Amino acid sequence: GAGVSQSPSNKVTEKGKDVELRCDPISGHTALYWYRQRLGQGLEFLIYFQGNSAPDKSGLPSDRFSAERTGESVSTLTIQRTQQEDSAVYLCASSLNALSNQPQHFGDGTRLSIL
Amino acid sequence: GENVEQHPSTLSVQEGDSAVIKCTYSDSASNYFPWYKQELGKGPQLIIDIRSNVGEKKDQRIAVTLNKTAKHFSLHITETQPEDSAVYFCAASRSGDGGTSYGKLTFGQGTILTVHP
Repeated sequence: GAGVSQSPSNKVTEKGKDVELRCDPISGHTALYWYRQRLGQGLEFLIYFQGNSAPDKSGLPSDRFSAERTGESVSTLTIQRTQQEDSAVYLCASSLNALSNQPQHFGDGTRLSIL
Repeated sequence: GENVEQHPSTLSVQEGDSAVIKCTYSDSASNYFPWYKQELGKGPQLIIDIRSNVGEKKDQRIAVTLNKTAKHFSLHITETQPEDSAVYFCAASRSGDGGTSYGKLTFGQGTILTVHP
């Protein structure tokens, strides 16, 4: 079956531009997570969505970062006025639900480079 | 919040040897501990997980042990093969309890495992 799909796989943009990253979760998964992975580092939690509940935005590093999810399907992560420190791999994961710690399955990420 | 420490940062073994990676966590309410394998240019792949009501779990050459009292858990890979070479991450989370961040994973910094033929 299809796994988590992310696009684009790579994005290079100039400092100050806005970028939009997309995630298609596994069908039927109600929970969706975004993480950031800087070079040689572990993953940092950014935001998660569980069904129709209000998202947990506690990991977003600044107000330049925002994310949306339409129902239990596609999610987009938007970074406005990009800075060089935003360069990282952005990973999306989905799980059956978040309430009982169901395993999270990851996409291959979007590698974002800010020039 | 939760803090996960992972050691060693790099591990080099000969094919056929065993490899052990250790993690400690700080939040006693954490009750779910997955391990992920990440290959270059790919997303993390879940290889095994354990919940706090179990002390040990095994899946073929891979096993995980959990010591809740000491708040540490370990990954054991036996009979290592060159294809086991990758970066391994441990993580911890807590299930929904009326609080926040259900299922939010806190990751260790990763271990680069190299298996030499």
